Amino acid sequence: NAGVTQTPKFQVLKTGQSMTLQCAQDMNHNSMYWYRQDPGMGLRLIYYSASEGTTDKGEVPNGYNVSRLNKREFSLRLESAAPSQTSVYFCASSGPGQGIYNSPLHFGNGTRLTVT
Amino acid sequence: AQSVTQLDSQVPVFEEAPVELRCNYSSSVSVYLFWYVQYPNQGLQLLLKYLSGSTLVKGINGFEAEFNKSQTSFHLRKPSVHISDTAEYFCAVSASNNNDMRFGAGTRLTVKP
Repeated sequence: NAGVTQTPKFQVLKTGQSMTLQCAQDMNHNSMYWYRQDPGMGLRLIYYSASEGTTDKGEVPNGYNVSRLNKREFSLRLESAAPSQTSVYFCASSGPGQGIYNSPLHFGNGTRLTVT
Repeated sequence: AQSVTQLDSQVPVFEEAPVELRCNYSSSVSVYLFWYVQYPNQGLQLLLKYLSGSTLVKGINGFEAEFNKSQTSFHLRKPSVHISDTAEYFCAVSASNNNDMRFGAGTRLTVKP
């Protein structure tokens, strides 16, 4: 049982380049999330998808787009990367049911992104 | 929206000593509280959660936390720590009226021999 799988593990981009971070879960969870982790700031929610077919902005959505491809997969896209987007990105899922208000999150191992 | 403050960014302790990691939250509605642990180069794992009922919550690895509504706190405790408890610990809060789980900045626990 793989849980939440993120690819790639590491990525280096030049300013202005684009890329997509992939995330898949095999726990049949309805809800999926993208967080970024920066030193001294904890985790901040970028976007989430409470269920297949829906996405909503979190705390820091600017510069990102997401796609909930199906129930298993939730991707995060950087259209034009900036140095301020250098961070560790975590995908998470929760369930069963809709929403996370009382469901713990299951995290992937993260993608370490550097933008030069 | 709800928010979380972890009062200590770093906590060094000696092995077998007790430890308390402090967490305060703010919310205008009822909340659900969580503690997560992150080991190096890994994602976060759930330690324990408070949803309702008893205010003393027991989690994995001998950790426990107490929900104090009047002080809006959810401090994490362990009576005797091990070297293997060295990690970063995050307090998180979600509210009953939204899907937005907010995390604190984290507390780095270092257990020394």
